Amino acid sequence: GENVEQHPSTLSVQEGDSAVIKCTYSDSASNYFPWYKQELGKRPQLIIDIRSNVGEKKDQRIAVTLNKTAKHFSLHITETQPEDSAVYFCAAPEGYSSASKIIFGSGTRLSIRP
Amino acid sequence: NAGVTQTPKFQVLKTGQSMTLQCAQDMNHNSMYWYRQDPGMGLRLIYYSASEGTTDKGEVPNGYNVSRLNKREFSLRLESAAPSQTSVYFCASSGRGGSYNEQFFGPGTRLTVL
Repeated sequence: GENVEQHPSTLSVQEGDSAVIKCTYSDSASNYFPWYKQELGKRPQLIIDIRSNVGEKKDQRIAVTLNKTAKHFSLHITETQPEDSAVYFCAAPEGYSSASKIIFGSGTRLSIRP
Repeated sequence: NAGVTQTPKFQVLKTGQSMTLQCAQDMNHNSMYWYRQDPGMGLRLIYYSASEGTTDKGEVPNGYNVSRLNKREFSLRLESAAPSQTSVYFCASSGRGGSYNEQFFGPGTRLTVL
């Protein structure tokens, strides 16, 4: 089955700097890679996703890159702000069906220092 | 449009007691999921239902049962609660069919087993 590993587990950056979170996956059939943000005490919410037919996707200050050959994908947050402080989860499906279950990484706790 | 709703929000059980967590979605989604999130940990899939009438085990199914009552509702039952089941439980739903879709999470149920 799919195995998703996420690094680092905690990350502290100065406000205004960039943050990068990396994930690897094991199932070469996976073709959809979402990222979720969970603020303290709240539910996880999707912030960006990428499908395997593209190598990079951007949405304002966040971007995701995908390297299918190496089976890894990364989340990039530029010009970090206090509201970026949260736990971020990457995920990948097990299998290539839209009904496949999604396996989440273990999460990265991002703290933004003022 | 309420999205994904869960009841109860909080519950305290004694070891050996049983209870059912309720989840409903009003987005006409095909797939529904139950996750548990332990303190400082990631999201682990307990059970999922790819479509009405089907259920499958996730990563940590032991000690739980599920029922996909209809397209809207997906319940999680603990037959004999144990302290190891103390966690926050999230229900999620996704997809109207076709390719992968965003998972929408409910607000969570915080369960303590004494």
